[in-house]
Amino acid sequence: DGGITQSPKYLFRKEGQNVTLSCEQNLNHDAMYWYRQDPGQGLRLIYYSQIVNDFQKGDIAEGYSVSREKKESFPLTVTSAQKNPTAFYLCASSHTALNPNGYTFGSGTRLTVV
Amino acid sequence: AQSVAQPEDQVNVAEGNPLTVKCTYSVSGNPYLFWYVQYPNRGLQFLLKYITGDNLVKGSYGFEAEFNKSQTSFHLKKPSALVSDSALYFCAVRDMNRDDKIIFGKGTRLHILP
Repeated sequence: DGGITQSPKYLFRKEGQNVTLSCEQNLNHDAMYWYRQDPGQGLRLIYYSQIVNDFQKGDIAEGYSVSREKKESFPLTVTSAQKNPTAFYLCASSHTALNPNGYTFGSGTRLTVV
Repeated sequence: AQSVAQPEDQVNVAEGNPLTVKCTYSVSGNPYLFWYVQYPNRGLQFLLKYITGDNLVKGSYGFEAEFNKSQTSFHLKKPSALVSDSALYFCAVRDMNRDDKIIFGKGTRLHILP
């Protein structure tokens, strides 16, 4: 079955460490997105990519980095510069940004700083 | 900028009663509107969309939404609530001015009381 896979489901990080969250899709979608979800704040866009080897900052990109070397993969690195990284991270994809059917979401990664 | 507002953080409904989750929007031009549902520690699932056509849109799991242009609303409804409908619901709009990205509301938590 086609879908979007995020791993790991739970991740623990020590302060000062960088961690990378994986997002893989086999839907042949061009566009991919990373969101951060905090209680009461909804979804906030971190980065998005509409095509391989290209990506743009979203609303809260500081302290995060991404790459898009392959169409099916869009990993997110949470760097030590992100001051409050504990959150639920969601990856999404769509055929194109213009896709009228909206986004397909992964199951999320819950990151906790210990 | 395009935006959506969900005025209620939480809605409580008795099982078997009709439910409504409210959403208002602010867009320039014709709106592309969506509803998504999120169960605990999961990604968002697409419920329904409005692009054009009938003002009453039918979606998954017996949900429907009514588009009201004069009131700029897109309320989610269901005639008879189930306990399994308890979840977090997000209204969303496509932002034509920002690379057609989808902008999400803050979410409304729906509790169905047995």
